[in-house]
Amino acid sequence: QVQLVQSGTEVKKPGASVKVSCKASGYTFTNYGISWVRQAPGQGLEWMGWISVYNGNTYYAQKLQGRVTVTTDTSTSTAYMELRSLGSDDTAMYYCARDYDYEIGYWGQGTLVIVSS
Amino acid sequence: QTVVTQEPSLTVSPGGTVTLTCASSTGAVTSGYYPNWFQQKPGQAPRALIYTTSNKHSWTPARFSGSLLGGKATLTLSGVQPEDEAEYYCLLNYGGAWVFGGGTKLTVL
Repeated sequence: QVQLVQSGTEVKKPGASVKVSCKASGYTFTNYGISWVRQAPGQGLEWMGWISVYNGNTYYAQKLQGRVTVTTDTSTSTAYMELRSLGSDDTAMYYCARDYDYEIGYWGQGTLVIVSS
Repeated sequence: QTVVTQEPSLTVSPGGTVTLTCASSTGAVTSGYYPNWFQQKPGQAPRALIYTTSNKHSWTPARFSGSLLGGKATLTLSGVQPEDEAEYYCLLNYGGAWVFGGGTKLTVL
């Protein structure tokens, strides 16, 4: 069965960076893309970026351009999302989701990132 | 800045039918925006319901359907169940980048 398992809770200081992982199983990792989505406490969903695992092409939300990078490691079927220069408004639950041919189906369980001094 | 707009809240009676809409600030929503719909309950990750306008995932209950109507993407729930009370989000694609709507809080009362 398809599973996306994300890394655990992170607590970071303002100005730091965070890197969240998303390990895929149950399907051929290189045949699909991965999108990253976040949700601040009590707020809606915000799409952050996408990567084609096949060729490494990426798209990013304009708001986060320059601060976010999504990558993959095909040897371990793991996707990563790195967010730099963290501020308090980056405190959120971060999700990865399998994204292929405009179909977003399977989601990870979420990773809580807390930014606090 | 592209904005995707959904009704903030809707209320439906059990067994009833309700339609949620998803509009784009750029104009009419077409199939080329590849609308996706998601359901989210408190404390849970989103669950995918519909992709590319009207296609259902293998786990999507038959009472959920997606379409385009009046320049918007729509999600219709027919024969609403109490467990359908949740937040619903649409997602549209703009040349590679996705944008979520603000969500609709559906109350079953």
